Amino acid sequence: GAVVSQHPSRVICKSGTSVKIECRSLDFQATTMFWYRQFPKQSLMLMATSNEGSKATYEQGVEKDKFLINHASLTLSTLTVTSAHPEDSSFYICSAPDAYGYTFGSGTRLTVV
Amino acid sequence: SQQGEEDPQALSIQGGENATMNCSYKTSINNLQWYRQNSGRGLVHLILIRSNEREKHSGRLRVTLDTSKKSSSLLITASRAADTASYFCAMNSGGYQKVTFGTGTKLQVIP
Repeated sequence: GAVVSQHPSRVICKSGTSVKIECRSLDFQATTMFWYRQFPKQSLMLMATSNEGSKATYEQGVEKDKFLINHASLTLSTLTVTSAHPEDSSFYICSAPDAYGYTFGSGTRLTVV
Repeated sequence: SQQGEEDPQALSIQGGENATMNCSYKTSINNLQWYRQNSGRGLVHLILIRSNEREKHSGRLRVTLDTSKKSSSLLITASRAADTASYFCAMNSGGYQKVTFGTGTKLQVIP
């Protein structure tokens, strides 16, 4: 089946630095990628939707200048958390529509210290 | 964006028993999906039911959808310890492919 490869799986960074998370679709083209954030013991909250060749669409309350999304090609979407702070520590996960529904990446556990 | 409400929030059952989780949502949908998430891991797609379907089966899973009540249920029969996980419903609505998630049910199956 379709696979979305997400890296890194875990990252620890210092407060004030930026972190890039990559999601690659394998064996299929992802013209759209959804980015979610999940705080401990909570559900997934949609942050933004990236579309290849156009600007990302952000959900209400999500700072677009803080969470930079780039959809460089039909197989790669990236989320960069800029000037990360401890409150940005969370589980970030991407998802792409495929022929059968949606395929999720394995997630990135971000810890900002 | 809408988010589904799931109940119960947590469920603990003995192995072999059936587990039922319910999901309610607010606006009309194109389809509804159920996912499983093991602690701290990614999501596994379980089943998708379209708005014109009322019931769907997949192995030990049975999903129902009542669009008039804007609700869905997931039944896991003959539960096993390996079924211990969090379960989320996810709604796809509008002409867009965006999917929003329910609040989740944490299931614990005691061997």
